[in-house]
Amino acid sequence: NAGVTQTPKFRVLKTGQSMTLLCAQDMNHEYMYWYRQDPGMGLRLIHYSVGEGTTAKGEVPDGYNVSRLKKQNFLLGLESAAPSQTSVYFCASSYSTADTQYFGPGTRLTVL
Amino acid sequence: GESVGLHLPTLSVQEGDNSIINCAYSNSASDYFIWYKQESGKGPQFIIDIRSNMDKRQGQRVTVLLNKTVKHLSLQIAATQPGDSAVYFCAEDTGRRALTFGSGTRLQVQP
Repeated sequence: NAGVTQTPKFRVLKTGQSMTLLCAQDMNHEYMYWYRQDPGMGLRLIHYSVGEGTTAKGEVPDGYNVSRLKKQNFLLGLESAAPSQTSVYFCASSYSTADTQYFGPGTRLTVL
Repeated sequence: GESVGLHLPTLSVQEGDNSIINCAYSNSASDYFIWYKQESGKGPQFIIDIRSNMDKRQGQRVTVLLNKTVKHLSLQIAATQPGDSAVYFCAEDTGRRALTFGSGTRLQVQP
């Protein structure tokens, strides 16, 4: 099993550009999550999904959109990138809420 | 609002010593807690978890203690090794369909 994978690993954007981060898991997990991690801080939840076709807002959803068209994939979109979105983005998945979340390796995004 | 927090931002220990990392939580409704380890440039890695119906749980060289009376969680690492150097996060499940993470404690192991 590859576990949780994320693409790309690094990306540099200019303010106003758009991009999509892809997360894939091969563990047949129902739940998937997108977090951001800023220097010296913990993880903050952006959006999450409790199953294929469903999404919900987390703690810091503004400026991001997500889609879960397939159970194994969870996409995070930035429609108009801002410097405040410079961060490391982590995807995670789990069987349920009260269960271990498995994390991907992260995507380092810089917005100039 | 209610949150998960950590007492010590940085902990420095000698190789071979035992390490104790602490975490305070304020949401009495939380019933599931997890410790994660994050090495530089990597995603968080599961270490050990505990449910609220338990006080203690042991893994390989790690032990998690839960004190619900004072809302305190701790991670004990026995015979700390250089490979244990990382940032450690506690997280709690508050029943809102996602985990709430603390800000992390950096563990530095001195050879």
